[in-house]
Amino acid sequence: EPEVTQTPSHQVTQMGQEVILRCVPISNHLYFYWYRQILGQKVEFLVSFYNNEISEKSEIFDDQFSVERPDGSNFTLKIRSTKLEDSAMYFCAGQGSRDQPQHFGDGTRLSIL
Amino acid sequence: QKEVEQDPGPLSVPEGAIVSLNCTYSNSAFQYFMWYRQYSRKGPELLMYTYSSGNKEDGRFTAQVDKSSKYISLFIRDSQPSDSATYLCAMDDYKLSFGAGTTVTVRA
Repeated sequence: EPEVTQTPSHQVTQMGQEVILRCVPISNHLYFYWYRQILGQKVEFLVSFYNNEISEKSEIFDDQFSVERPDGSNFTLKIRSTKLEDSAMYFCAGQGSRDQPQHFGDGTRLSIL
Repeated sequence: QKEVEQDPGPLSVPEGAIVSLNCTYSNSAFQYFMWYRQYSRKGPELLMYTYSSGNKEDGRFTAQVDKSSKYISLFIRDSQPSDSATYLCAMDDYKLSFGAGTTVTVRA
């Protein structure tokens, strides 16, 4: 069964550094999402992406965050200048159409020191 | 009022018991309702996906949706130790809103 693949599985970064989290969605998916889960808290929506544009973003997704799908396969989340509070699990999800469920990767654990 | 409410548990049951999980929600715009299973340090894995009010069955799993009461449930029959995980309800309004997750332990 096709899978959503995320790399790296764990990223440790100094505060203030830039990080790029990568996702390879299922090939026929058209809608893409990033969520995050701070330890012990709910999974929270960050941003949705369709047709090479952001469809919706949450209050968390401020100017430090950006997403792109540079080559039609990889889907990336960039955090420009990381803060301690960015430490969390980041999940990528994809969806074939709006009436299908979202499928998640296993996430990247981001640790900011 | 939180958009999606789910009792975090924990819930501990003996093997073979029925596990009953539920969520309530406040946003009438939610159209699709999902249950995901999440193991430690893994991503949410889709278990059930429903649209309308009513029941949907898949093997040992039954999902119920009552839109009039804004209430959804998941039942796991003949529970196994391998069912031990955190179960997340999620609701779709062009993005997913998750419950807090209920941690379930099935004792052998």
